[in-house]
Amino acid sequence: LAKTTQPISMDSYEGQEVNITCSHNNIATNDYITWYQQFPSQGPRFIIQGYKTKVTNEVASLFIPADRKSSTLSLPRVSLSDTAVYYCLVGDQDDYKLSFGAGTTVTVRA
Amino acid sequence: NAGVTQTPKFQVLKTGQSMTLQCAQDMNHEYMSWYRQDPGMGLRLIHYSVGAGITDQGEVPNGYNVSRSTTEDFPLRLLSAAPSQTSVYFCASSSSGSGGVLEEQFFGPGTRLTVL
Repeated sequence: LAKTTQPISMDSYEGQEVNITCSHNNIATNDYITWYQQFPSQGPRFIIQGYKTKVTNEVASLFIPADRKSSTLSLPRVSLSDTAVYYCLVGDQDDYKLSFGAGTTVTVRA
Repeated sequence: NAGVTQTPKFQVLKTGQSMTLQCAQDMNHEYMSWYRQDPGMGLRLIHYSVGAGITDQGEVPNGYNVSRSTTEDFPLRLLSAAPSQTSVYFCASSSSGSGGVLEEQFFGPGTRLTVL
């Protein structure tokens, strides 16, 4: 399982773009990169997943450079409701023992 | 679909008591897992199952037992509760991956357990 490293916390203001970078230097060829979001007192929920280059959905974008040793989750124009913990996971379909780590606490201020 | 359901939502136990946290999913997912989350921490995997009759240990299995007699249910048993087991417990499920893809995990609402 590839180990991931993320910043502990980030602060932002409403309307700004938030970029969270996750390092995964020992990512394997078959590994996918997945991001989850967790609000207080709730279970995590899936945000986005990618293998290489760029993936975009209605919530976020995921940028993955060619060497795949890092990835960046981009949250456009955040609002107060985007205040949450964001987790980066790396693995493939056979990785049953995934660890969520401590995640990145994003605080959005008015 | 109800998704992943967990009962109870809250529970207070005394040291030494035993109890079972219930988890059920109606998505016909093969993979189910239990995590615990301590205050300010990430989620740590306790046990997981890749199908009925198949279970295995995660990162922090001591003090917990699981069984998987059906696809839908994956109960977590605390054998003799200790204050160190005070935590929020999340159950999750996902389908089996195909083509190497790590499938999305769906989480339940959690059970907040306090052991006195």
